[in-house]
Amino acid sequence: AQTVTQSQPEMSVQEAETVTLSCTYDTSESDYYLFWYKQPPSRQMILVIRQEAYKQQNATENRFSVNFQKAAKSFSLKISDSQLGDAAMYFCAYVAQGGSEKLVFGKGTKLTVNP
Amino acid sequence: EADIYQTPRYLVIGTGKKITLECSQTMGHDKMYWYQQDPGMELHLIHYSYGVNSTEKGDLSSESTVSRIRTEHFPLTLESARPSHTSQYLCASSARRPPLHFGNGTRLTVT
Repeated sequence: AQTVTQSQPEMSVQEAETVTLSCTYDTSESDYYLFWYKQPPSRQMILVIRQEAYKQQNATENRFSVNFQKAAKSFSLKISDSQLGDAAMYFCAYVAQGGSEKLVFGKGTKLTVNP
Repeated sequence: EADIYQTPRYLVIGTGKKITLECSQTMGHDKMYWYQQDPGMELHLIHYSYGVNSTEKGDLSSESTVSRIRTEHFPLTLESARPSHTSQYLCASSARRPPLHFGNGTRLTVT
């Protein structure tokens, strides 16, 4: 069974600094998607960034980028120039392409941004 | 921006009451999902549907039931609410391929 592990229950960063959130996953599939979702307190879960496994280039969305290491099954999220609005729970998620397509989520990392 | 709506946003109800949590999406997505999440904790899939008249139980056992009579509507029902059902319930939908789009959630408290 596929599993997603986020080894950092909590992280903190100073405003304007850079922080990296870790995620590893276990799968025997070769084609899959990986995602980072952000869930601010009492607010909607939103998609931050996505990565298709067949793409070697790391995905980037403005201040958010990933370091995708397929062989190591690692998918970390880097947030540059951190802002107060980045404070949230961040969930890493995996789904196999063409399979049951049920997302498997990690347990989440709570990010605090200090002014 | 995804258009998926959940009502009510907050619900406080007494033990033994029947409740229905509503979820609707206007994107024509075939796939819909219900997740249960305790505050600040991981998400657990409790139900999913890949189309009209198709429903399946998720990875976490739940006493709730769902129906999918229309593409856009995926309500979740608890016949007799108990304090152990107190949690946040998140509805999500997706097109043929990911990602999932989430609603705002319903925070349920059973007293």
